[in-house]
Amino acid sequence: DAGVTQSPTHLIKTRGQQVTLRCSPISGHKSVSWYQQVLGQGPQFIFQYYEKEERGRGNFPDRFSARQFPNYSSELNVNALLLGDSALYLCASSGGQASNQPQHFGDGTRLSIL
Amino acid sequence: GQNIDQPTEMTATEGAIVQINCTYQTSGFNGLFWYQQHAGEAPTFLSYNVLDGLEEKGRFSSFLSRSKGYSYLLLKELQMKDSASYLCAVRDRGYGQNFVFGPGTRLSVLP
Repeated sequence: DAGVTQSPTHLIKTRGQQVTLRCSPISGHKSVSWYQQVLGQGPQFIFQYYEKEERGRGNFPDRFSARQFPNYSSELNVNALLLGDSALYLCASSGGQASNQPQHFGDGTRLSIL
Repeated sequence: GQNIDQPTEMTATEGAIVQINCTYQTSGFNGLFWYQQHAGEAPTFLSYNVLDGLEEKGRFSSFLSRSKGYSYLLLKELQMKDSASYLCAVRDRGYGQNFVFGPGTRLSVLP
């Protein structure tokens, strides 16, 4: 069975541009979360979607937005890119909202801002 | 607020036992998870604790004390492939039950 898939794997952008990252969850998983991971640090929570509704938002500016589609895939959009947005962006899916459900991560999109 | 603390780096010898500690202060608690992350790869799930006590899974065990806001991950019979970062994450009790991750502990296993 396929795990969480993310595209693209690598992306280079310049300041001020906009980017869209994509994620397909594990088949049957309805919850998708997005994280930003800067080198040497733990993942920082950005958004969570469950059944196409936003269920949580981390401490990120309004330049960050996301959505979940009827097939439970998701997109993360970042506008007006800054140098500090350079990071690994991880998508994770889980089977439900039960407390013992772990999140399963994709390999991430490495975003570099020049 | 949410705060999770872990040692930044640890070093151990192949075949030994190592304990990685995690302390947390969160506004809500709905479970603690440990993940392993090799350099350049995605985090992979290792263990889950929601009640106090020890959970054992092969060479890996995880312990939780909710009253102390404390957990540890115990790795036995260390192998070179265990060299990785180990992430402690607390699941919030809020609406989205989001995960709050610690900074991670980078473990180096030496021959």
